[in-house]
Amino acid sequence: AQSVTQPDIHITVSEGASLELRCNYSYGATPYLFWYVQSPGQGLQLLLKYFSGDTLVQGIKGFEAEFKRSQSSFNLRKPSVHWSDAAEYFCAVGTPPGGSNYKLTFGKGTLLTVNP
Amino acid sequence: EAGVAQSPRYKIIEKRQSVAFWCNPISGHATLYWYQQILGQGPKLLIQFQNNGVVDDSQLPKDRFSAERLKGVDSTLKIQPAKLEDSAVYLCASSPDRGLETQYFGPGTRLLVL
Repeated sequence: AQSVTQPDIHITVSEGASLELRCNYSYGATPYLFWYVQSPGQGLQLLLKYFSGDTLVQGIKGFEAEFKRSQSSFNLRKPSVHWSDAAEYFCAVGTPPGGSNYKLTFGKGTLLTVNP
Repeated sequence: EAGVAQSPRYKIIEKRQSVAFWCNPISGHATLYWYQQILGQGPKLLIQFQNNGVVDDSQLPKDRFSAERLKGVDSTLKIQPAKLEDSAVYLCASSPDRGLETQYFGPGTRLLVL
């Protein structure tokens, strides 16, 4: 069964600083990987996804993530954080299509606080 | 394009009572998902519908939870009777198909069981 580990429960950065959120996954085949963001009282919004090809993927709001198969990682990065980026971030792994069902398994999330 | 709608947004009940949540997915989306998000955890899939058929309900506590999707559009998730540990946010999501399509999430219903 697939699983996702987000080692950092809470991260605090200063506005304008760079950001890296860690994500490690466990899956027996080529994973389908996602990063979602959840603002307080809101649903989840997709930031970016990786299915195949270029291991560096670009997303919305200036975020990017790099897939590293050798490290089973899919870390999220942003070069300069804005106060509006304060939210909770979830990494997820998806089972590929073709089976009877396709599902996402989420990590426990990383809460990002941005100091002015 | 309207997003995924959910109601109510908040609900407080006592244990052993029943409660129902409603979801209206994005128009034309064939797949609908219900997730449970307990405080401090990521969303956990409860049930997945493809049109009006159940694709996966392996993590749905069927002794107390039930869900239906009439006519392949709106869906209702019910809990009867509720337990304290059911306190969570219940998220509904939809996607055009069950493949690699992006899942679009609603704002969720926050349930508190006292």
